[in-house]
Amino acid sequence: ETGVTQTPRHLVMGMTNKKSLKCEQHLGHNAMYWYKQSAKKPLELMFVYNFKEQTENNSVPSRFSPECPNSSHLFLHLHTLQPEDSALYLCASSQGGDIDEQFFGPGTRLTVL
Amino acid sequence: AQSVTQLDSHVSVSEGTPVLLRCNYSSSYSPSLFWYVQHPNKGLQLLLKYTSAATLVKGINGFEAEFKKSETSFHLTKPSAHMSDAAEYFCVVSESDSSYKLIFGSGTRLLVRP
Repeated sequence: ETGVTQTPRHLVMGMTNKKSLKCEQHLGHNAMYWYKQSAKKPLELMFVYNFKEQTENNSVPSRFSPECPNSSHLFLHLHTLQPEDSALYLCASSQGGDIDEQFFGPGTRLTVL
Repeated sequence: AQSVTQLDSHVSVSEGTPVLLRCNYSSSYSPSLFWYVQHPNKGLQLLLKYTSAATLVKGINGFEAEFKKSETSFHLTKPSAHMSDAAEYFCVVSESDSSYKLIFGSGTRLLVRP
């Protein structure tokens, strides 16, 4: 186990739905990340939170809205998504600081119909 | 800007034979480099990392990688492949001004034949 859990593992939603992805880390880390993994494309960093503050928004459309209520939990709220948003969404955490290993969760496989 | 190129999208080896997964990087400074592995339906797991110490880096499960500055390469090797090594492998470089920003390669899928 990596110590990072994600729920749900699979999600199918229509373009008008609102849903949320949840990530929890049990490692006492200070930084958390959302990544998007699409078929045949490199992993894309979406958001970074460090000590609950958002430090990176990698030009992500506003239909994706992150929330970090504390250092252990990270959410990704989804609203009016497009079919091209279908992908594996990975959460990661790290201790913070210089060149830290990131620990990844198993991901949520999202399908937008 | 930093970038990383994985030269093979798929590599197929027989069980018990050596593994070589190739990675070249582009960086204007001395980078930190990583190899991650992703098994089906699992998250990414760190195999090894290079952070300007020894150029030959040993990782988990018998994998190692050698940092060659002159060739801008960081190839991943293992002397003898096991069936459980079948997975996707990602070469990763960190950005110069943001240690938490990792730049991922497109991945190499390793197939291990019995």
